[in-house]
Amino acid sequence: DIQMTQSPTSLSASVGDRITITCRASQGISTNLVWYQHKSGKVPKLLIYAASTLQSGVPSRFSGSGSGTEFTLTITSLQPEDVATYYCQKYNSAPPHTFGPGTKVDIK
Amino acid sequence: QVQLVASGGGVVQPGKSLRLSCAASEFTFRDYAMHWVRQAPGKGLEWVAVISYDGRTKYYADSVKGRFTISRDNSKNTLYLEMNSLGLEDTATYYCAKSPGYSITLYVDYWGQGTLVTVSS
Repeated sequence: DIQMTQSPTSLSASVGDRITITCRASQGISTNLVWYQHKSGKVPKLLIYAASTLQSGVPSRFSGSGSGTEFTLTITSLQPEDVATYYCQKYNSAPPHTFGPGTKVDIK
Repeated sequence: QVQLVASGGGVVQPGKSLRLSCAASEFTFRDYAMHWVRQAPGKGLEWVAVISYDGRTKYYADSVKGRFTISRDNSKNTLYLEMNSLGLEDTATYYCAKSPGYSITLYVDYWGQGTLVTVSS
């Protein structure tokens, strides 16, 4: 099975900062990767699919890139409402649809 | 707006069984693959199972294989998760989730609100 890792495990940044989260797959997965945002007490929300396509309604400060085994999620100007845990997940191959362990983002 | 309402959670003793349901509305349920995803307290998201649009293809995480069964009734717009031989490690919030297409290889685009399962003696 393909394993997913994320770094960092957590980060703290100031409002307006640019932050980047990295997700790595143990084998190449082309661009078959999604990013979710999970706020405390809420249901997870799809942010990006196909590694770089923004889901409808997601603010443009979120962006994704990468292919193969290394991917990044970038928030260009961190906002207070972006406090959440962010997960990557691989898809488009036989399950399991493994999630990354998550990256917790908060405001400094 | 997609609606997914999960129910059936509760407190159950180790070794017992529980059946979760998820009522879907505001989309054509029979056209989409569906997932169950869980989150144990203080832990990350764990994919549990997926079922194809027609119910013919199912896949499970190794952690639940042989104990959990995913199924659906397209005439009732309802997804199910039958959980047997429950262990303490199955304590989690269980989310019912929709795929953006019919295939079991796709991701989740909408999540239900979750139902809490607590396994405790």
